[in-house]
Amino acid sequence: DIQMTQSPSSLSASVGDRVTITCRASQDIKQYLAWFQQKPGKAPKSLIYLASSLQSGVPSRFSGSGFGTDFTLTIISLQPEDFATYYCQQYYSYPLTFGGGTRVEIE
Amino acid sequence: EVQLVESGGGLVQPGGSLRLSCAVSGFTFSNYWMNWVRQAPGKGLEWVANIKQDGSEKHYVDFVKGQFTISRDNAKNSLYLQMNSLRVEDTAVYYCVRGSNARNVGPFDSWGQGTLVTVSS
Repeated sequence: DIQMTQSPSSLSASVGDRVTITCRASQDIKQYLAWFQQKPGKAPKSLIYLASSLQSGVPSRFSGSGFGTDFTLTIISLQPEDFATYYCQQYYSYPLTFGGGTRVEIE
Repeated sequence: EVQLVESGGGLVQPGGSLRLSCAVSGFTFSNYWMNWVRQAPGKGLEWVANIKQDGSEKHYVDFVKGQFTISRDNAKNSLYLQMNSLRVEDTAVYYCVRGSNARNVGPFDSWGQGTLVTVSS
């Protein structure tokens, strides 16, 4: 199974900050990487697919990059509604696997 | 508007069975891979199973193989998850998730609101 490791597991930031979350795959997954946002008590929301493509309706302050084993999710100018937990997921091979999540909290 | 509405969750005793349903609308159901993803209380996301557009291909995470069965009825725009021999550790919110409309599995895009399954005596 492909292990997905996110770092950090949590971070504190302020509105307007630039935030970067890292996701590392235990083997090459090409660009088959997605990012999701989840707020407490809510279903996850799909943000990014194919490592860097934004889902429809996702604000442009979100961006993704990476290929192979190392990927990043960047939020430029963090907004109040961005405080949430973020998950990466590989869909290169079965079983599909998620990272452990990164909680973005208000500083 | 794409909508996925899960139902069928509830309290069940260890060893019991439950069948989850997901009713979809707003898109051509038969064109899409469909998935079940679960989340134990306070934990992360865990993919459980998926099924190809015509039901000809199904995949499961190892620890539910032989225990859970995914199926779909394209005429009823519905996805199902039959869960047998339930264990306490199967307690989770179960989400119905739309995959891609391609030949291969592809990314997820739309999620249901989830249905809570509690396994407890």
